[in-house]
Amino acid sequence: DTEVTQTPKHLVMGMTNKKSLKCEQHMGHRAMYWYKQKAKKPPELMFVYSYEKLSINESVPSRFSPECPNSSLLNLHLHALQPEDSALYLCASSQDDRRFEYTYGYTFGSGTRLTVV
Amino acid sequence: AQKVTQAQTEISVVEKEDVTLDCVYETRDTTYYLFWYKQPPSGELVFLIRRNSFDEQNEISGRYSWNFQKSTSSFNFTITASQVVDSAVYFCALSEAEVTTDSWGKFQFGAGTQVVVTP
Repeated sequence: DTEVTQTPKHLVMGMTNKKSLKCEQHMGHRAMYWYKQKAKKPPELMFVYSYEKLSINESVPSRFSPECPNSSLLNLHLHALQPEDSALYLCASSQDDRRFEYTYGYTFGSGTRLTVV
Repeated sequence: AQKVTQAQTEISVVEKEDVTLDCVYETRDTTYYLFWYKQPPSGELVFLIRRNSFDEQNEISGRYSWNFQKSTSSFNFTITASQVVDSAVYFCALSEAEVTTDSWGKFQFGAGTQVVVTP
């Protein structure tokens, strides 16, 4: 299995809703990432998890709450989002070995298209 | 600081024409990785190539080829005999190889180049 699977593929939510995005990989990768991509822009890093611990938070608002319950699963919990949070949310994973090439095997999922109404 | 510049916003070609996408990068590191990704309308980022800074050999994979010129900090990508399925946004990206707290796990993406191939 060489894929990163993201669900759902599409999500429409109201500003008062709570929802979660899910990301799963079974490649044995120990680093997992969340990116946000607005239309016609490159992806922007939000969070990095390494060995299930949060390593990097790129000053993301608290209405986005990541969670890594195990080495294969990464969630992004959403609460009280704004319409400007509408975007494609991409998950990625990679082998994590700081001694070597930590970007080896960097694989992106197909994303969740989020619309906040 | 890292920076990746893709100066071409959009390139339109007719099928079977060749198309070259430019990528110029800036980094203070001596060891780094360069990537190209394809993003079709469906949204997923498809990995095309990963090249480390010590490997300046050009690479060819089917209709795709890459020209890495460290002297000019460029990593250009050519699609030969383009096809409609090549229509997508193509991103060039840079990642540092030296692990630091600030850089680890990060890509610096270029703005992307939209390629439109018409029949």
